[in-house]
Amino acid sequence: AQKVTQAQTEISVVEKEDVTLDCVYETRDTTYYLFWYKQPPSGELVFLIRRNSFDEQNEISGRYSWNFQKSTSSFNFTITASQVVDSAVYFCALSEAATDSWGKLQFGAGTQVVVTP
Amino acid sequence: NAGVTQTPKFQVLKTGQSMTLQCAQDMNHEYMSWYRQDPGMGLRLIHYSVGAGITDQGEVPNGYNVSRSTTEDFPLRLLSAAPSQTSVYFCASSYSSDTDTQYFGPGTRLTVL
Repeated sequence: AQKVTQAQTEISVVEKEDVTLDCVYETRDTTYYLFWYKQPPSGELVFLIRRNSFDEQNEISGRYSWNFQKSTSSFNFTITASQVVDSAVYFCALSEAATDSWGKLQFGAGTQVVVTP
Repeated sequence: NAGVTQTPKFQVLKTGQSMTLQCAQDMNHEYMSWYRQDPGMGLRLIHYSVGAGITDQGEVPNGYNVSRSTTEDFPLRLLSAAPSQTSVYFCASSYSSDTDTQYFGPGTRLTVL
C-alpha cells in the first residue's frame, strides 16, 4: 500500500530564511511518480513538480529545489530565501505508474509554512 | 480553456438531504477523480474514472456515488448527507500522458448540519 508521511505539521520562518519540507513515502512499486502541490490561503491547489521514480536528479526552479533520494524514500522540498507569498500548505503526493492507478494520488497530511516579515 | 470547473463553491446541507457536486473539464482528459480534504489529513481519494462509462472506488467511497456518462463531466452525488461529510471537495483531471499532470478544480466547501 502507498503511504506518504509529512512529519512537519507547521514550520514558521522569518522572511529570507530557507525552509525545507520533508516527505517520506512508501510504495511497493518500482515505477511511480512523486508530486508537490501548494495550497495558498485562497484554497486552490497549485502544481509545483512531478518526478518520475527513475529520475533521481535534483531539480531547481527559481527559489524552489527538490531533493529526491530513492535510497531513503524521500522527496524533500526546499524554499530558499523565503517570502511572505510562500506562506501556504504544501502537500507531497505519490501515484503508481500503472495505467489503472494513474490519477490515484496518495497525499501526505501537508505542512503549513508561515513566513513572517 | 476553462480548465476544471466545480459548482457550487459553497453549500450548506441538513443531515439527510441529497445533492450533487458538479465537475466539468474541457481539456478532453480521460481521467477524472474526486478528493476530499479534511484538516490534518491531506486529500483523500473518493472515486475515480478512467474514461466515460468506467468508475472505480478510492480510499473513502462510502456515502458517495459517481457516474461518468461523458468525457467532460464527473458529478459526485451525496444520497443522504451526514455531518461527517463536511469537507472541501476537489475534482481533478488528467490526460493519459507520461508527461502530463493533474489539474485540480477550485474546490467546493460543503457543510452538513
